[in-house]
Amino acid sequence: RKEVEQDPGPFNVPEGATVAFNCTYSNSASQSFFWYRQDCRKEPKLLMSVYSSGNEDGRFTAQLNRASQYISLLIRDSKLSDSATYLCVVRGSTGAGGFKTIFGAGTRLFVKA
Amino acid sequence: NAGVMQNPRHLVRRRGQEARLRCSPMKGHSHVYWYRQLPEEGLKFMVYLQKENIIDESGMPKERFSAEFPKEGPSILRIQQVVRGDSAAYFCASSPSASGASSYNEQFFGPGTRLTVL
Repeated sequence: RKEVEQDPGPFNVPEGATVAFNCTYSNSASQSFFWYRQDCRKEPKLLMSVYSSGNEDGRFTAQLNRASQYISLLIRDSKLSDSATYLCVVRGSTGAGGFKTIFGAGTRLFVKA
Repeated sequence: NAGVMQNPRHLVRRRGQEARLRCSPMKGHSHVYWYRQLPEEGLKFMVYLQKENIIDESGMPKERFSAEFPKEGPSILRIQQVVRGDSAAYFCASSPSASGASSYNEQFFGPGTRLTVL
């Protein structure tokens, strides 16, 4: 089982649609969670951190379910510019005093006019 | 405040040559991470370094690959005797010096070096 798993997609949605991405992680000791966005042939950029209580940033809402080891990202009112690959990122203890950051393989989103 | 810088942005090598990729972290960041991304695939962790120390190299191939982050100067990812399968985008990221203890620590990425092996 992969440490961080995402549905690869692609998700093809019309402008204005609401789309949700899911991500599961295997390390129950994971401590922090992020969503990154990567445009084609560009570097990943932080979209938002994911907090235990859930958090919202404009059209984007992130949720964390520690019991189920599950993270989600909801995008409302999709824009053409939202087309990108969304990476789920999990950071946790290695058990040897260090921390490790694991990136999911990403979910592709295509928003069409 | 300049972001993470990588050079070269594009690198072409013939099989058997050496590739050197450089990464200058953001100002104030002393933690550097290298990732590899093959075409149409996700990011794969390679190595995590602090100044003069390799902290985690669990993602590094056992042969031909090495990384360093000297006291002065950029971090270097070195690939010896490159093969076609090394063709990929190599991304460097950096995080602040407190990253080991902080849970909510994000990594800032450079623009990447695209290596093509002929």
